[in-house]
Amino acid sequence: GAGVSQSPSNKVTEKGKDVELRCDPISGHTALYWYRQSLGQGLEFLIYFQGNSAPDKSGLPSDRFSAERTGGSVSTLTIQRTQQEDSAVYLCASSLGQGVIYEQYFGPGTRLTVT
Amino acid sequence: TQLLEQSPQFLSIQEGENLTVYCNSSSVFSSLQWYRQEPGEGPVLLVTVVTGGEVKKLKRLTFQFGDARKDSSLHITAAQPGDTGLYLCAGRMTTDSWGKLQFGAGTQVVVTP
Repeated sequence: GAGVSQSPSNKVTEKGKDVELRCDPISGHTALYWYRQSLGQGLEFLIYFQGNSAPDKSGLPSDRFSAERTGGSVSTLTIQRTQQEDSAVYLCASSLGQGVIYEQYFGPGTRLTVT
Repeated sequence: TQLLEQSPQFLSIQEGENLTVYCNSSSVFSSLQWYRQEPGEGPVLLVTVVTGGEVKKLKRLTFQFGDARKDSSLHITAAQPGDTGLYLCAGRMTTDSWGKLQFGAGTQVVVTP
């Protein structure tokens, strides 16, 4: 497909388990972003990739959260020892470059529910 | 604490009415964007404004960036049910090195036939 894809679309997990969320950006987009959206809230920035490196990971809420990007393409966000407060929609976006002239294209998100 | 405050949080109107959504901050932004998000989907960019005092029109939607680049508004004329969605403003701060987007909490707009 031409857009950003994310998998799974929904994930229900028990407290304490680890989860992996996947993002496939638009082909050729060098910049990739992860955001978290809690119910009725705006988007909270988590991490930004330029190529395979992450110049800004300041939004990761704790050391239970990590992300990597390989081959300048697919990215995985991992949450270890999930907590109920991790329940949210996790959105991924990609752009051709970084800066105001480059539009961020968003995927449909992964809805994570921690029980 | 969010840098961008949106108001109102929720707006329900009848088809044909006009509406305005506001996005305010005490910080200066180099640019500001408006997105619309529908259930189960990611936000979609509507417009980017970069110059203080700038007004952009997109069919029935009018976007304005404040003179001091601290606030913005979105006005919809003769709203239609298809305008229903979560409207988000997002800004890039002048002090940010790589242009990180700061999002407001959003305004949920419901337009009933």
